Amino acid sequence: GAVVSQHPSRVICKSGTSVKIECRSLDFQATTMFWYRQFPKKSLMLMATSNEGSKATYEQGVEKDKFLINHASLTLSTLTVTSAHPEDSSFYICSAKTGFSSGANVLTFGAGSRLTVL
Amino acid sequence: GDSVTQMEGPVTLSEEAFLTINCTYTATGYPSLFWYVQYPGEGLQLLLKATKADDKGSNKGFEATYRKETTSFHLEKGSVQVSDSAVYFCALTRSSSNTGKLIFGQGTTLQVKP
Repeated sequence: GAVVSQHPSRVICKSGTSVKIECRSLDFQATTMFWYRQFPKKSLMLMATSNEGSKATYEQGVEKDKFLINHASLTLSTLTVTSAHPEDSSFYICSAKTGFSSGANVLTFGAGSRLTVL
Repeated sequence: GDSVTQMEGPVTLSEEAFLTINCTYTATGYPSLFWYVQYPGEGLQLLLKATKADDKGSNKGFEATYRKETTSFHLEKGSVQVSDSAVYFCALTRSSSNTGKLIFGQGTTLQVKP
């Protein structure tokens, strides 16, 4: 079946530095990917929709200059957390549309990337 | 706006017990409804879905029925196993949206003890 790979799975960085997280679709092309943020004991919050070859669509309240999304190819989307601060520490998850079944889009999720900003 | 509300967890059960995890939603129109499961250290996996009222989604012994009159999509399993221990997320997507954008509930942790 379709697999979405995220890298790195864990990253620790110093405050003020930038961190890039990659989301790759293996063995399939993903024109649309989604980036979520998951807080402890909280739901997944959709941050943005990443479209191959065009600008990402950000959800209300998400700083697009803070969370840079690039979807330069049909198999790779990247999320860069710029000038990271401790409050950016979180679990970031990507997903990709992998099909359509019984009237609904099918999404495949990556295993997530845990960011810790010191 | 659209939203999903799940029962607070964690839910702790003994093996072979009956499971219910409540989920209610608020949405305009006729959304599609989903249950996703997240096992420790893994990504979310689609467990089951229903795309119209009165549809019943089922998979691996889990079931959920799309109840439009009560705006609910409760997850049930007749006999849980230790391997069912995970976090369960209820979610919806607008039927008018073709993007696949999902709105999630807060997740319910299930712990099954031997």
